Amino acid sequence: AQTVTQSQPEMSVQEAETVTLSCTYDTSENNYYLFWYKQPPSRQMILVIRQEAYKQQNATENRFSVNFQKAAKSFSLKISDSQLGDTAMYFCAFMKIGGSEKLVFGKGTKLTVNP
Amino acid sequence: NAGVMQNPRHLVRRRGQEARLRCSPMKGHSHVYWYRQLPEEGLKFMVYLQKENIIDESGMPKERFSAEFPKEGPSILRIQQVVRGDSAAYFCASSLLASGTGYEQYFGPGTRLTVT
Repeated sequence: AQTVTQSQPEMSVQEAETVTLSCTYDTSENNYYLFWYKQPPSRQMILVIRQEAYKQQNATENRFSVNFQKAAKSFSLKISDSQLGDTAMYFCAFMKIGGSEKLVFGKGTKLTVNP
Repeated sequence: NAGVMQNPRHLVRRRGQEARLRCSPMKGHSHVYWYRQLPEEGLKFMVYLQKENIIDESGMPKERFSAEFPKEGPSILRIQQVVRGDSAAYFCASSLLASGTGYEQYFGPGTRLTVT
């Protein structure tokens, strides 16, 4: 079974600075996706960024980028120019392709952006 | 295009009552997932359904919980004889399950179930 570990329960950053959230996972699969989801106080789950395992190039979406290290099974999220609206829980998730494509989530990191 | 809809948003039940949670997927999506989020935890997979079929229920408790996705109408997650430990947020997600969409799952706003 796949597992996802987020070792930082809470983090804080000053507005406009950069922060990196860590995620490691354990799998013997070769075909999978990795995701970062944001859950603000409204509790709505919002997809931030995704990475296909067979792509070596790290995914980027505006201020959000990932550092995908497949051999190390590491998938960190970097948020540049942090904004107050980035304050939320962030969940790393794994999806094996070729089964039921269910998401396996980590326990989350609570990020606070301070003014 | 309306997103995934869930109702009710909040549900209060007394111990022993039944809870029915509804999920309408995005238009054109035939794959529905249910996840449960306990306080201070990440989401945990419960069940995956396609129209009229349960595909994977490996995360569903063996007793008291059931799910369906009929040919017409929303998907229903049913919890019989609720206990305090069932108090959680229940999220539904729908997907096209196509590589072209990056296998993205679109989440509803969740139903917060409180058992008193």
